[in-house]
Amino acid sequence: QVQLVQSGTEVKEPGASLKVSCKTSGYTFTNYGISWVRQAPGQGLEWMSWISPYDGKTHYAQKVQGRVTMTTDTSTSTAYMELRSLRSDDTAVYYCVRGPHLNPSGSYFMGEDWGQGTLVTVSS
Amino acid sequence: DIQMTQSPSSLSASVGDRVTITCRASQGIRNDLGWYQQKPGKAPKRLIYGATSLQSGVPSRFSGSGSGTEFTLTISSLRPEDFATYYCLQHNSYPLTFGGGTKVEIK
Repeated sequence: QVQLVQSGTEVKEPGASLKVSCKTSGYTFTNYGISWVRQAPGQGLEWMSWISPYDGKTHYAQKVQGRVTMTTDTSTSTAYMELRSLRSDDTAVYYCVRGPHLNPSGSYFMGEDWGQGTLVTVSS
Repeated sequence: DIQMTQSPSSLSASVGDRVTITCRASQGIRNDLGWYQQKPGKAPKRLIYGATSLQSGVPSRFSGSGSGTEFTLTISSLRPEDFATYYCLQHNSYPLTFGGGTKVEIK
């Protein structure tokens, strides 16, 4: 079965950088994009970014563009999300999600599979 | 960017009630919409994909309707385990966008 397993809880100081991993299994890694979604405490879900493990193409939400970098390691079927210049409002649970494709329309597998979430706290 | 306006933001209902949640897209998104249920401390769980298709394993009391700009999630008869927060997500174009969420509480 499809699994996405994320790295553990992080506590960071303002201005630091963060790198979260998402190890996948149960499907062909390069056939599906990976999105990153976050949820601040008591708030709704926010889509952040997307990467294609096939060719490295990316899309970003304007709110995080310039501070986030996504990478993939096809040898281990793992995706990574790095967020720099951390601020207190980056405190959130971060999820990796399978999907969508480069053209997201018609990607009906989008959101079927989620990682367990990584809690990130940014505090001095 | 496509804005997803979800309503209501919260509702109180009783076991057995019929519940309807709506998402409105700021422009047409065909049927590129999913509905998600989230319980505290858990990752979201997909209920509906393609606006109207029931995710495997999800009870048939959940249903989705709509296409274009207006979408609805209906719970035909609310059960205790359905008290949660529900979100819609459009995947028609980047950036993907979620609705603001609907918290379903016990009356």
